[in-house]
Amino acid sequence: TQLLEQSPQFLSIQEGENLTVYCNSSSVFSSLQWYRQEPGEGPVLLVTVVTGGEVKKLKRLTFQFGDARKDSSLHITAAQPGDTGLYLCAGGNSNYQLIWGAGTKLIIKP
Amino acid sequence: DAGVIQSPRHEVTEMGQEVTLRCKPISGHDYLFWYRQTMMRGLELLIYFNNNVPIDDSGMPEDRFSAKMPNASFSTLKIQPSEPRDSAVYFCASSPPGQGWNIQYFGAGTRLSVL
Repeated sequence: TQLLEQSPQFLSIQEGENLTVYCNSSSVFSSLQWYRQEPGEGPVLLVTVVTGGEVKKLKRLTFQFGDARKDSSLHITAAQPGDTGLYLCAGGNSNYQLIWGAGTKLIIKP
Repeated sequence: DAGVIQSPRHEVTEMGQEVTLRCKPISGHDYLFWYRQTMMRGLELLIYFNNNVPIDDSGMPEDRFSAKMPNASFSTLKIQPSEPRDSAVYFCASSPPGQGWNIQYFGAGTRLSVL
């Protein structure tokens, strides 16, 4: 059974600080997606990475796919209250399935 | 362009009652997914359709759950009879042609409470 473990489960920091959240597995994925979910809403896709070692940037957010395509990280620079939400990673496998992590709940305090 | 539309947004019902959740995917999308989200189990895929045909329903927890997609613009998820442990947020998502699992657009969800 493929699993994706996200860490930390919960993170509360002050506005302006930097942070990194992780998504790890012992399995190889063909792609890795990051979603952000705000209270009362559905997840919204932020980025998809498909190549080992790939780095993508979305304003203050930097996403990296591990060289072996088993893990990924999301780094936020100078976090803002608008970054608050549940961050979910999801891995695509060869069976055309998405394996979802449990999420990291992020709170940015003004 | 309207996103995925789910109704109702909130549903409160009593144990044993039938519950029907509705979803209108984004026009032109050919994949439709039903998910359930709880604090304990996170986001779980229940069933997905491709071109209105159910492809994988292995995530449907019990025979009490059923889903249909009579046409490209409408799907339902039915629970009969409902039980308190079915309380969760149910999401519908759709994907555009050629994307399949790569891009999913989620609705706002239906929060179901079974008393």
